[in-house]
Amino acid sequence: QVQLQESGPGLVKPSETLSLTCAVSGYSISSGYYWGWIRQPPGKGLEWIGNIYRSGSTYYNPSLKSRVTISVDTSRNQFSLKLSSVTAADTAVYYCAKVGGAAFDLWGQGTVVTVSS
Amino acid sequence: EIVLTQSPGTLSLSPGERATLSCRASQSVNSIYLAWYQQKPGQAPRLVIYGASSRATGIPDRFSGSGSGTDFTLTISRLEPEDFAVYYCQQYGSSPLVTFGQGTKLEIK
Repeated sequence: QVQLQESGPGLVKPSETLSLTCAVSGYSISSGYYWGWIRQPPGKGLEWIGNIYRSGSTYYNPSLKSRVTISVDTSRNQFSLKLSSVTAADTAVYYCAKVGGAAFDLWGQGTVVTVSS
Repeated sequence: EIVLTQSPGTLSLSPGERATLSCRASQSVNSIYLAWYQQKPGQAPRLVIYGASSRATGIPDRFSGSGSGTDFTLTISRLEPEDFAVYYCQQYGSSPLVTFGQGTKLEIK
């Protein structure tokens, strides 16, 4: 079955760039679907970051657009998130997910990222 | 920008009771683009309802979704202990592309 797994540093310094990767198994990204990133600050709700298609077409949350880059590597069957100029407000659990139809129908387990010096 | 407002913020019920959760949109949402998620502590969200009324794979039939336009509802007919969690509604397709409601916490009374 399709599985998603996030990976990346758990601690990032303020003003630096947060970089995460989502490895997809059980399905080839190059076959289709959109793939997305969502985050959840401690004790708060869900915030959509952005989506990407196999072609590299992207859609970003306007509130984060100036700092976000999402890319896809079909040869490694993974997609990535970069968030620049991070502050403590970017501390959150970051999830990657598969878009099925118009919903996120499969999620990774999430990875905790803390922004602190 | 579409804003989704969920109510109530917290719902306290007992197992066996019926739960009704509301999601109101600031603008009309196409029903096929409205979804509901369940999230338990320490876990990733799980898709429960998509297209406003279709159950996701593996979701028991005590869960149902309804609504159109700006008002949507998630109903759990008879609460089981494992149903107590936080529920989020989500819209897809309007600017921004994706927005989530703030969540309703369903807790045991």
